[in-house]
Amino acid sequence: QVTLKESGPVLVKPTETLTLTCTVSGFSLSNARMGVSWIRQPPGKALEWLAHIFSNDEKSYSTSLKSRLTISKDTSKSQVVLTMTNMDPVDTATYYCARAIFGVVKSNWFDPWGQGTLVTVSS
Amino acid sequence: QSVLTQPPSVSGAPGQRVTISCTGSSSNIGAGYDVHWYQQLPGTAPKLLIYGNSNRPSGVPDRFSGSKSGTSASLAITGLQAEDEADYYCQSYDSSLYVFGTGTKVTVL
Repeated sequence: QVTLKESGPVLVKPTETLTLTCTVSGFSLSNARMGVSWIRQPPGKALEWLAHIFSNDEKSYSTSLKSRLTISKDTSKSQVVLTMTNMDPVDTATYYCARAIFGVVKSNWFDPWGQGTLVTVSS
Repeated sequence: QSVLTQPPSVSGAPGQRVTISCTGSSSNIGAGYDVHWYQQLPGTAPKLLIYGNSNRPSGVPDRFSGSKSGTSASLAITGLQAEDEADYYCQSYDSSLYVFGTGTKVTVL
């Protein structure tokens, strides 16, 4: 059974750095046909993709947030870490990690998703 | 900012058929990238509903179906049930980045 679980602080102050960890089980982070993404959802709003890490350690980031994000992985620990600098109240959201599956060319989807963790940014 | 546009809401009576559109452009859906759909029940994480434009994962009822044409895609729910009341999101790929739709709330009247 494949599972992902997010962990990290529930409350951060403005200007602080957020560090979230996604612990996966049931698949390997070295599997070439899979990767892990971070996705967030502000309360009552749509999903927003943030960052992705591939099995070969290649990374991709949202264009609008690229300067603030860093994604990394520890394959031996089955963990993917996301850091986001200079947090602001508008970054208040539920943060999800999800496994990306690479189907045929030009076909990548997310399954499954973690349960999500709500991060509130407030002083 | 979402680059895939969905109607904010659709509604239907139990048993009816509803469709949700997902409109993209020549850099995402129109470039040949597949569209995938997710269902998000209230207070829960999104769940994969359709992958590769029209494929259902194991366990997803066959009343859910997907299609793609040109720069758009659609999700259809036939025989609408009360448990289908949820938010639905499409997802594709654009310039080597993942993109989601704006989301559609389905209400069962």
